[in-house]
Amino acid sequence: GQQLNQSPQSMFIQEGEDVSMNCTSSSIFNTWLWYKQDPGEGPVLLIALYKAGELTSNGRLTAQFGITRKDSFLNISASIPSDVGIYFCAGQKNYGGSQGNLIFGKGTKLSVKP
Amino acid sequence: DAGITQSPRHKVTETGTPVTLRCHQTENHRYMYWYRQDPGHGLRLIHYSYGVKDTDKGEVSDGYSVSRSKTEDFLLTLESATSSQTSVYFCAISGRGQGSSPLHFGNGTRLTVT
Repeated sequence: GQQLNQSPQSMFIQEGEDVSMNCTSSSIFNTWLWYKQDPGEGPVLLIALYKAGELTSNGRLTAQFGITRKDSFLNISASIPSDVGIYFCAGQKNYGGSQGNLIFGKGTKLSVKP
Repeated sequence: DAGITQSPRHKVTETGTPVTLRCHQTENHRYMYWYRQDPGHGLRLIHYSYGVKDTDKGEVSDGYSVSRSKTEDFLLTLESATSSQTSVYFCAISGRGQGSSPLHFGNGTRLTVT
């Protein structure tokens, strides 16, 4: 099936550092979504992007919808301990209707530097 | 919290037994989804519903059936559970909205098939 390549797979953060992760695909998407999942809970929507080139912020989080529509980036500025968790990107090809064709990346696991 | 309740939260069952997982929403959203989450595979769509009694298959539907007799409830049934169905199952909902409507997830059901 369709694949989204999410990188990095995992990373360690130190409090105060900026963090970047991205998702790429060989296909064009019309929507990009970013989720965060904490242990024992379901993914929670962080940011939704609907237009190529769109840059959207949610507090210390900023996400961009790539101009080519084949990629998206998520940045976290001045990380804090509660940022640890797994971050997922998801892409959808079609507007409206169901999300039956939403494709998820495999996640980026953020951990605290030992 | 998007008003999604999954039950049970944890279940252990034996191979060959039938199992039903329930998802209940209070948002009156049209679309409901069942995903499974496994290490190395991320989130994969099992089945989804686009209205009462209207359902469709997802990427990994073999061995699963669903039913939606009311807007608020979406049931996932494993007719004869197998060890490969040990997983964490997430229900999600989305509204019809303009453009794409992001998914909101429940907190999951951890199913172990022994």
